Amino acid sequence: RKEVEQDPGPFNVPEGATVAFNCTYSNSASQSFFWYRQDCRKEPKLLMSVYSSGNEDGRFTAQLNRASQYISLLIRDSKLSDSATYLCVGGNQAGTALIFGKGTTLSVSS
Amino acid sequence: DAEITQSPRHKITETGRQVTLACHQTWNHNNMFWYRQDLGHGLRLIHYSYGVQDTNKGEVSDGYSVSRSNTEDLPLTLESAASSQTSVYFCASSANSNQPQHFGDGTRLSIL
Repeated sequence: RKEVEQDPGPFNVPEGATVAFNCTYSNSASQSFFWYRQDCRKEPKLLMSVYSSGNEDGRFTAQLNRASQYISLLIRDSKLSDSATYLCVGGNQAGTALIFGKGTTLSVSS
Repeated sequence: DAEITQSPRHKITETGRQVTLACHQTWNHNNMFWYRQDLGHGLRLIHYSYGVQDTNKGEVSDGYSVSRSNTEDLPLTLESAASSQTSVYFCASSANSNQPQHFGDGTRLSIL
């Protein structure tokens, strides 16, 4: 099992739709999880941290499911500007570094 | 404001040449990282450092080296550039292993 794994997509949704991405991780002891956004081979930018109690920032909600070892990102009321690649991040198996997933591509159309 | 800068932004060179990419951060972060990103592979870790004089190999370290002589800088050196090393290179830093990483703008390197 890969340390951090995402469905690459692409997810094609209309404006206003709700879309959710999941990301599985293999290190059950991992403590830190994040979601990043990356536009068109530009640098990844931190979108939000993922806490055990969940985290919400406007239209974006991140949740952690330790029992099933996955984190999720929910985007409500999708905007054209949400089109990007979303990277999840979790701890590696040794617990020594953070590992980036390969990313999930979202395309929002009008 | 604190930041992380990479230079050059773009570089074209020939196979066999030695190339050094610079990364400088002003956050006073202990941890610094170098990644390469290629289509179909996502971000792959090349080398990382958890402090001055500390360096570690990542997933794809062959053909690359780093040195950490101070907190602010982690230069990445390609000893003898190969066409397979054509890629986009990102440098990142973080305060510690549980904190998010902040990325530089990237360096687009082409090796002909």
